[in-house]
Amino acid sequence: DAKTTQPTSMDCAEGRAANLPCNHSTISGNEYVYWYRQIHSQGPQYIIHGLKNNETNEMASLIITEDRKSSTLILPHATLRDTAVYYCIVRPRGGSGTYKYIFGTGTRLKVLA
Amino acid sequence: EAGVTQFPSHSVIEKGQTVTLRCDPISGHDNLYWYRRVMGKEIKFLLHFVKESKQDESGMPNNRFLAERTGGTYSTLKVQPAELEDSGVYFCASSRDRNTEAFFGQGTRLTVV
Repeated sequence: DAKTTQPTSMDCAEGRAANLPCNHSTISGNEYVYWYRQIHSQGPQYIIHGLKNNETNEMASLIITEDRKSSTLILPHATLRDTAVYYCIVRPRGGSGTYKYIFGTGTRLKVLA
Repeated sequence: EAGVTQFPSHSVIEKGQTVTLRCDPISGHDNLYWYRRVMGKEIKFLLHFVKESKQDESGMPNNRFLAERTGGTYSTLKVQPAELEDSGVYFCASSRDRNTEAFFGQGTRLTVV
């Protein structure tokens, strides 16, 4: 089962920031937070990941709380092409644990014109 | 750099027939994963290769599914004999090592009639 909880759906106005929350209260010390999205029926697309520090790349920013029990993915200027299902996934790095991604139901983000 | 390539993009077969799906990972990626999404369900992990070795095959549903990765390059997933419940989208992903993010292909939509 997925170790994350996300809202089922969200709307965002085009050009505004989209803030997608994720709860992962049982996250372990060696687990990273990953975000992927799936547009229509395409393959999941990698967005960003982080451990405890905030991260930013050309697609998005990831804000992780100090206790690491929740995080927020921020799309700074949402466009219609950002309409997709967004998945928050916790996954270990290092060690001998499983390296599979466990997808939950995600958040269906709809960007409105 | 070419992404993960899957072939075919669509396949329609009759119940009881055999189908083989192919995945070409990103060049240099030792890790290869298979996932699938059946109708109305979440994306589920099937198995993980490191080079030609099966690292984790805990998600394979039954012995009608056989995955191979001879030579540690491309991988095939064979379903024999196919059943109606095998219909869905099969995704392949690859990563450079176990600790780096995985990149997904566009998937193969399998329909068993």
